[in-house]
Amino acid sequence: AQTVTQSQPEMSVQEAETVTLSCTYDTSESNYYLFWYKQPPSRQMILVIRQEAYKQQNATENRFSVNFQKAAKSFSLKISDSQLGDTAMYFCAFMKRAQGGSEKLVFGKGTKLTVNP
Amino acid sequence: DTGVSQDPRHKITKRGQNVTFRCDPISEHNRLYWYRQTLGQGPEFLTYFQNEAQLEKSRLLSDRFSAERPKGSFSTLEIQRTEQGDSAMYLCASSPTDYSNQPQHFGDGTRLSIL
Repeated sequence: AQTVTQSQPEMSVQEAETVTLSCTYDTSESNYYLFWYKQPPSRQMILVIRQEAYKQQNATENRFSVNFQKAAKSFSLKISDSQLGDTAMYFCAFMKRAQGGSEKLVFGKGTKLTVNP
Repeated sequence: DTGVSQDPRHKITKRGQNVTFRCDPISEHNRLYWYRQTLGQGPEFLTYFQNEAQLEKSRLLSDRFSAERPKGSFSTLEIQRTEQGDSAMYLCASSPTDYSNQPQHFGDGTRLSIL
């Protein structure tokens, strides 16, 4: 069974600064995907960024980038130029790669990020 | 924008009552997932469907829980004889069926409160 661990229950950052959220995972699968999802207060969960495990290059999406260390089973999220709208719960999630479509997501417990003005 | 729609948004009921939630996925998505999220935790997988077929159920889905997707479109999740521990946010997600393993799109969730 896969497990996802987010060791930082809460973090805060000043607007315009950079913050890194940590995530580690455990799996025996060799092919899988990793995701960061964002859940603003009382709003739906939305995808921030996705990493395919067979790709060595770290994924980037505008101000969001990841540091994927496959051997260490580490998948951290870096948010640059933090904005007030980045305030949310951030969940790291694992999904094994399968033929025929996506599978269930395994989530960590989340990190509550607060961006201060 | 026809995203994933869930109804109701909030449900308050007394312990022992039955409740039913509905999820309408994105129209072209064949896969539909249910998750449960308790306060301060990440979502936990309950079950998922490929069209009308229920492909996997978590051990979290006790015999009081049943999910259906009769025509491969919307899905319902029913909880019978509700208990205090059922209080949670119930999330629905959908994704297309293809070989690219597309990410899941989530609805706003149904928050269940048991009195």
